[in-house]
Amino acid sequence: DADVTQTPRNRITKTGKRIMLECSQTKGHDRMYWYRQDPGLGLRLIYYSFDVKDINKGEISDGYSVSRQAQAKFSLSLESAIPNQTALYFCATSDVNNQPQHFGDGTRLSIL
Amino acid sequence: ILNVEQSPQSLHVQEGDSTNFTCSFPSSNFYALHWYRWETAKSPEALFVMTLNGDEKKKGRISATLNTKEGYSYLYIKGSQPEDSATYLCALRIGAGGTSYGKLTFGQGTILTVHP
Repeated sequence: DADVTQTPRNRITKTGKRIMLECSQTKGHDRMYWYRQDPGLGLRLIYYSFDVKDINKGEISDGYSVSRQAQAKFSLSLESAIPNQTALYFCATSDVNNQPQHFGDGTRLSIL
Repeated sequence: ILNVEQSPQSLHVQEGDSTNFTCSFPSSNFYALHWYRWETAKSPEALFVMTLNGDEKKKGRISATLNTKEGYSYLYIKGSQPEDSATYLCALRIGAGGTSYGKLTFGQGTILTVHP
């Protein structure tokens, strides 16, 4: 089983719909992150959480919200999806300090 | 917002060639520089985490160097193989006191294609 699991892997939906992307991890890491990837732009941080009671906005949080239900679970919601939120979304986890981040397999989201 | 730049944007080499690419970043308040390899249809995987000026790390045919004073890191691949084809991402973490503390800021990546 993967250490960082994202569901769904692919999703096509319509403008205005509410969507939730889920991420769960078995690594026991406190820190979790949501990124989106657009062609030519690298990974951009949407939200991050350093522990269950800590939620922080990243550089592109507008239009998104998150919930850290437990140490192992971090969900990303699009309250009212719009076409420019079509992208590849990654969840990642990390331990403290200088440890690398561990990524899920990504969710490809298309909003029509 | 921190500016992390990678060059070139894409690179095509022949099997057996050695290649290198660059990650440039602001040198102030440096904490760590990460390198990740991202193959198509897979998730990014960590290659190196570098923290000290002059650091040099190696994993098989891939190595990286770090210059924190001038704000750059090089990634080298010796004797490229088709399986090295991937996007290589660098990411900067700055130290305490900045608004980006604890987070990674990624470059846009270098897409490497190794032709047989």
